[in-house]
Amino acid sequence: NAGVTQTPKFQVLKTGQSMTLQCAQDMNHEYMSWYRQDPGMGLRLIHYSVGAGITDQGEVPNGYNVSRSTTEDFPLRLLSAAPSQTSVYFCAAGRGDYGYTFGSGTRLTVV
Amino acid sequence: DAKTTQPPSMDCAEGRAANLPCNHSTISGNEYVYWYRQIHSQGPQYIIHGLKNNETNEMASLIITEDRKSSTLILPHATLRDTAVYYCIVSPPLIQGAQKLVFGQGTRLTINP
Repeated sequence: NAGVTQTPKFQVLKTGQSMTLQCAQDMNHEYMSWYRQDPGMGLRLIHYSVGAGITDQGEVPNGYNVSRSTTEDFPLRLLSAAPSQTSVYFCAAGRGDYGYTFGSGTRLTVV
Repeated sequence: DAKTTQPPSMDCAEGRAANLPCNHSTISGNEYVYWYRQIHSQGPQYIIHGLKNNETNEMASLIITEDRKSSTLILPHATLRDTAVYYCIVSPPLIQGAQKLVFGQGTRLTINP
């Protein structure tokens, strides 16, 4: 079991570019979430999903889109990258009787 | 805002028990206490969670006071690999729907040789 796999691990974008951060899980967990972590800060929730076809906004959703067409995948799309989106992005998957399993993160720099 | 209060940092000697406190005086009846840790810049790792009874697993023990306003995470025999930031989070259980985990600043635990 790979758990939660995030790609890419590192990315540099220019302001205004768009990109998709990939997240895949092989645990068949119904719940998935995206968080961002700025330097020296705690994690903040961007978007989350309770199952395929169902997504909702978290604390800091502006500038990001998500979709959940399958149980396994939960991609996060940056529409038009801004320097304020420089951060580490973590994807997580969870089931009802446990906690979330987090991926290893994508480190994004927007210049 | 996080609904929990934790000391910003703690030290513990290797091999000793590490006791990490957390105050959550406004916890609601349906909220559980969850503990996660983050080692260096890795993704957070789930440790344990509980409602009102004490819980133990292979990683740690969780002691929740009878009034549920505070709790303590216990790492029984701390090792250098337990050096991390530990987050105490109160939330309805995941089984009730998607969790919106609110990560505060956590406690930076340093295990000293």
